[in-house]
Amino acid sequence: DTGVSQNPRHKITKRGQNVTFRCDPISEHNRLYWYRQTLGQGPEFLTYFQNEAQLEKSRLLSDRFSAERPKGSFSTLEIQRTEQGDSAMYLCASSPPTGTGNTIYFGEGSWLTVV
Amino acid sequence: AQRVTQPEKLLSVFKGAPVELKCNYSYSGSPELFWYVQYSRQRLQLLLRHISRESIKGFTADLNKGETSFHLKKPFAQEEDSAMYYCALRGSSNTGKLIFGQGTTLQVKP
Repeated sequence: DTGVSQNPRHKITKRGQNVTFRCDPISEHNRLYWYRQTLGQGPEFLTYFQNEAQLEKSRLLSDRFSAERPKGSFSTLEIQRTEQGDSAMYLCASSPPTGTGNTIYFGEGSWLTVV
Repeated sequence: AQRVTQPEKLLSVFKGAPVELKCNYSYSGSPELFWYVQYSRQRLQLLLRHISRESIKGFTADLNKGETSFHLKKPFAQEEDSAMYYCALRGSSNTGKLIFGQGTTLQVKP
């Protein structure tokens, strides 16, 4: 499968612990997005990378959240000192460079449950 | 502000009935509009986009700038159409990010 890959698919953690999610985009996609989705809601934009540069962050992304994309390939999303309100599906998506078709492809998501 | 509204959380129809999933948007410029679909236990995937003006799986959607709407339609629903449907808008941001509506669950009964 050459689609967007995310892991772990499910994570249960205790409040106050740190968690990290990984995303492997489709090869040669230089654009990478993180979204958050809670039950009954559509995906909400968190942050955007173009290659290794993080070019936009939503106000939803509090100081406890940090995302990286070293070398412009895979990306990680870390949540520090997790809170129950962080329980959600975290979606990663990627798209090719502008001008080569800009469909955004989504991964299967990583479910986070904070207990 | 850029916003997408899908007024119906659930739409339930019988097989063979027409379907219309509503989507309204708020955006001052010329947006790109999309419909994404999520079948049970599958990832979110693109169904169609307004600039393509194509029919996918029998679904069509027309951008109405006057009414700021992008409703998804299908003349005869099939059971396999049962899924979660999201309308999304791409505005002027250089990031190309999508702004999603809350989604509508389409349930097609036999």
